[in-house]
Amino acid sequence: DAGITQSPRHKVTETGTPVTLRCHQTENHRYMYWYRQDPGHGLRLIHYSYGVKDTDKGEVSDGYSVSRSKTEDFLLTLESATSSQTSVYFCAIRGGRGTDTQYFGPGTRLTVL
Amino acid sequence: AQSVAQPEDQVNVAEGNPLTVKCTYSVSGNPYLFWYVQYPNRGLQFLLKYITGDNLVKGSYGFEAEFNKSQTSFHLKKPSALVSDSALYFCVVRDHNSGTYKYIFGTGTRLKVLA
Repeated sequence: DAGITQSPRHKVTETGTPVTLRCHQTENHRYMYWYRQDPGHGLRLIHYSYGVKDTDKGEVSDGYSVSRSKTEDFLLTLESATSSQTSVYFCAIRGGRGTDTQYFGPGTRLTVL
Repeated sequence: AQSVAQPEDQVNVAEGNPLTVKCTYSVSGNPYLFWYVQYPNRGLQFLLKYITGDNLVKGSYGFEAEFNKSQTSFHLKKPSALVSDSALYFCVVRDHNSGTYKYIFGTGTRLKVLA
């Protein structure tokens, strides 16, 4: 258990509204990631962060933004939610000390109506 | 571009039989390969990884994976399947050419172990 929490765990929202998902870690890891999981696609990287205020895009970043103002928190914002963003969102950290292993949060199920 | 392929959406195996979940990869340079498992309604857990060294990698819960450079494969195996092994399995490659720690997931293989 790498001390990763996600909030909220479930959310239903309407098309066009902004949504922010939070990932919180307790172990001071440098790398944090946001993925979405959809049937037939596995996990796809949305954005990742390699330090405070250092972020970069993944393969499915359109419609999403992120912020990392503190080491422990990585926020994912859907600027104007669409039905295609209905998904399960996972946050992950990369373990330290050269382990090259990712540890995942419990996920957030987002439904956009 | 780095990529992984999991050719089977689902694998069914009887309890007690050996299981194999297939993965092939495409990378430039040395591959960094991983297997993760997702149990129903839960997050993902690390199983094992290949970075360098022995081609047979042992991991959690009795799983192992065989790295085969000539066939560009990294199949997950277990000698005797348990019903509790039923889950979704992901093969992952690290995109080390990008200079950052980005990981690319396969589409997943659902393993069903039948009692």
